[in-house]
Amino acid sequence: KQEVTQIPAALSVPEGENLVLNCSFTDSAIYNLQWFRQDPGKGLTSLLLIQSSQREQTSGRLNASLDKSSGRSTLYIAASQPGDSATYLCAAENNFNKFYFGSGTKLNVKP
Amino acid sequence: ETGVTQSPTHLIKTRGQQVTLRCSSQSGHNTVSWYQQALGQGPQFIFQYYREEENGRGNFPPRFSGLQVPNYSSELNVNALELDDSALYLCASSVSGSSYEQYFGPGTRLTVT
Repeated sequence: KQEVTQIPAALSVPEGENLVLNCSFTDSAIYNLQWFRQDPGKGLTSLLLIQSSQREQTSGRLNASLDKSSGRSTLYIAASQPGDSATYLCAAENNFNKFYFGSGTKLNVKP
Repeated sequence: ETGVTQSPTHLIKTRGQQVTLRCSSQSGHNTVSWYQQALGQGPQFIFQYYREEENGRGNFPPRFSGLQVPNYSSELNVNALELDDSALYLCASSVSGSSYEQYFGPGTRLTVT
């Protein structure tokens, strides 16, 4: 059974800092890895999807990398802003469209 | 906006009752998955429907059931509600096949008292 772990559970940084969120998974036979953002009490917003054949994806200030052999993915956020404050979740897709989520990293960016 | 809608937004039920949650998938998507997210946790996979057939199930008891109909709608039914069923219920739609993203709805917050 796939288990996904996210470290740290919470992170507080001053505005402008670059930061890295970590995600690890136990079964390297994944199809995709997807990063989401969740605001309090809300649904999930997709940030980046990395296909199993890819090593990284970029969107604006976000960059996600994937190392299947070591079972790790990282989400890099450049020049953090208070609006980035949210919980960030990673999810590993094993079988078609079935995702296994980590518990998330709660990010607080202080003005 | 993902084009995935869920109803109702919030719901309060009493232990032992039954509840039906609804999801309208994004147009053209043939797969819908349901997740339960307890407070402070990541979403847990309940089950998935592909072309109106159940296509995989997580570690949830049979009192969690569902269906999908051809007009991109789906339902999650929970019988004999327990206090631990209190959670945010999320549905996600996608096009079956690898390399396709899941698009999540805003969720239904269920409180069981």
